[in-house]
Amino acid sequence: EIVLTQSPDFQSVTPKEKVTITCRASQSIGSSLHWYQQKPDQSPKLLIKYASQSISGVPSRFSGSGSGTDFTLTINSLEAEDAAAYYCHQSSSLPWTFGQGTKVEIK
Amino acid sequence: QVTLRESGPALVKPTQTLTLTCTFSGFSLSTSGMCVSWIRQPPGKALEWLALIDWDDDKYYSTSLKTRLTISKDTSKNQVVLTMTNMDPVDTATYYCARMGYDYIWGSYRYDAFDIWGQGTMVTVSS
Repeated sequence: EIVLTQSPDFQSVTPKEKVTITCRASQSIGSSLHWYQQKPDQSPKLLIKYASQSISGVPSRFSGSGSGTDFTLTINSLEAEDAAAYYCHQSSSLPWTFGQGTKVEIK
Repeated sequence: QVTLRESGPALVKPTQTLTLTCTFSGFSLSTSGMCVSWIRQPPGKALEWLALIDWDDDKYYSTSLKTRLTISKDTSKNQVVLTMTNMDPVDTATYYCARMGYDYIWGSYRYDAFDIWGQGTMVTVSS
């Protein structure tokens, strides 16, 4: 089973700051890495798929990069509405797995 | 518009069997490349993938839970059902169903992301 490790677990950020969240896989997963945003009491929402592909309707300040074992989600110019938990997920090999999540708080 | 909605009991007793239904619209599970998964999330914790069923009725399960899980589909009703046996308080969680595609990308077939999620249903296991 592929283990995904996110860092940091928690980040407190000022609006307009840049946020970087990393996700490391225990073995190479190519580009089969996806990012989700989950706001309190809501279901997860797909932000980025296949490491860097943008999703229609998602603000352009969200971007992703990486391949193999190391991936990054970047939020440029954080807005108050971005307060949420962020999860990475791999679909390279079954069983699918998720990272433990990164909570982003707005200062 | 694609939507998914989970339904099932809010409370089950330990050792009982949980049955959850995912009713969806806007796509068909008889269409090649369509899949539906179940994912759960204990309160305050991370997401955990449970099971997947695809358009061809292939089924895949979480390694740690596969002896307790059964996933099935009723294409005519646009429903996917998950049963989990021998429920325990540690199974208390919000249970989500989500759509996933299986597409030809970059020269090979690949499983896509979970692009649409249901709103989730909270299940508490307690006597």
